[in-house]
Amino acid sequence: DARVTQTPRHKVTEMGQEVTMRCQPILGHNTVFWYRQTMMQGLELLAYFRNRAPLDDSGMPKDRFSAEMPDATLATLKIQPSEPRDSAVYFCASGLGQNPSYEQYFGPGTRLTVT
Amino acid sequence: DQQVKQNSPSLSVQEGRISILNCDYTNSMFDYFLWYKKYPAEGPTFLISISSIKDKNEDGRFTVFLNKSAKHLSLHIVPSQPGDSAVYFCAASAFNRDDKIIFGKGTRLHILP
Repeated sequence: DARVTQTPRHKVTEMGQEVTMRCQPILGHNTVFWYRQTMMQGLELLAYFRNRAPLDDSGMPKDRFSAEMPDATLATLKIQPSEPRDSAVYFCASGLGQNPSYEQYFGPGTRLTVT
Repeated sequence: DQQVKQNSPSLSVQEGRISILNCDYTNSMFDYFLWYKKYPAEGPTFLISISSIKDKNEDGRFTVFLNKSAKHLSLHIVPSQPGDSAVYFCAASAFNRDDKIIFGKGTRLHILP
């Protein structure tokens, strides 16, 4: 049963601390996406990768957020320094891109609370 | 600038009746549309999709209708069941551009007993 996994599931941290969220995409998927869900904005795309190369990170606050794929089995999203407004649920999703469809498979999310 | 709009934050429907969730989009480059369903504490899961070359796609109790001229799509669920209570996200993508999917803010559907 192939699934996207995310760790940690919950994270509470103080303002100014570094936060790292990890994602393991489904084996064989070549696209990886990071989303943030908030009540006000719904599901916002932060960044995405194809074949480990970053293609679009226009949705991320560049000064504090960074996304990487060290290898095909790991994607990371870092926030440094974190701020209370970063509190949200962060989802990772993976897929096969445009072939054969646009379907993305989401992980369970990381609920981040910054106090 | 919301390219995909779901103007109803929530909707309540009696069990057994039809649920209709609506979605509007502004980008004429979008040519593939999807609906995702999300339960609390879980990630969204794919429900149904439609290409712009079609105006209807059906999968069991779920049907998606696309009106390209109006830049509008809708998801019909009939009959509605208690397990359909969830948040539904409308999403769109542009085939010839990239792999990005743009999501709406979601509509919370409550199925009443």
